[in-house]
Amino acid sequence: NAGVTQTPKFRILKIGQSMTLQCTQDMNHNYMYWYRQDPGMGLKLIYYSVGAGITDKGEVPNGYNVSRSTTEDFPLRLELAAPSQTSVYFCASNVAGGSETQYFGPGTRLLVL
Amino acid sequence: DAKTTQPNSMESNEEEPVHLPCNHSTISGTDYIHWYRQLPSQGPEYVIHGLTSNVNNRMASLAIAEDRKSSTLILHRATLRDAAVYYCIPRVGNQFYFGTGTSLTVIP
Repeated sequence: NAGVTQTPKFRILKIGQSMTLQCTQDMNHNYMYWYRQDPGMGLKLIYYSVGAGITDKGEVPNGYNVSRSTTEDFPLRLELAAPSQTSVYFCASNVAGGSETQYFGPGTRLLVL
Repeated sequence: DAKTTQPNSMESNEEEPVHLPCNHSTISGTDYIHWYRQLPSQGPEYVIHGLTSNVNNRMASLAIAEDRKSSTLILHRATLRDAAVYYCIPRVGNQFYFGTGTSLTVIP
């Protein structure tokens, strides 16, 4: 299994541009998550999904959109990039339930100038 | 929101035990406590988790206070590869709440 994969690894955006961060998992996990991590800080939850067609907001959803059309994929969309969205973005997944381990991707580093 | 309090940083000598504390006084009785660690430039990786009783695995031990207001991650023999940021994370419903974690330095 490849686990959780994310593309791209690094991207520079201009203010106002849009982009989609891709996340795919091959473990047949129902739950998927998007986090952002600012320098020196912990991870903040942006959005999560408990299954295909179901998404919900986390702590910091403003400026982002998600969709979940398949079990494997959970893309994160930035519509109008702002400097405040400069961060490292991590995707994660787990089976379900409070005792389940969460598996993380390698991250996407985004710089908005 | 469930909040946690951890020391910003700790040091340990190599091959000595390390006790990483966490206060989580606001969690409910059904919230699992997870510990993850993050090496530089990598995503977090799972270490251990528990609900009420102490837990052991090949990486570490987790001691949870009887009142569940605090827990301690125990690395039995620290190695240089254990240098990382360690996060104590309550899982509340479908969400994991990361704090700022403890940066562990292992001294050779």
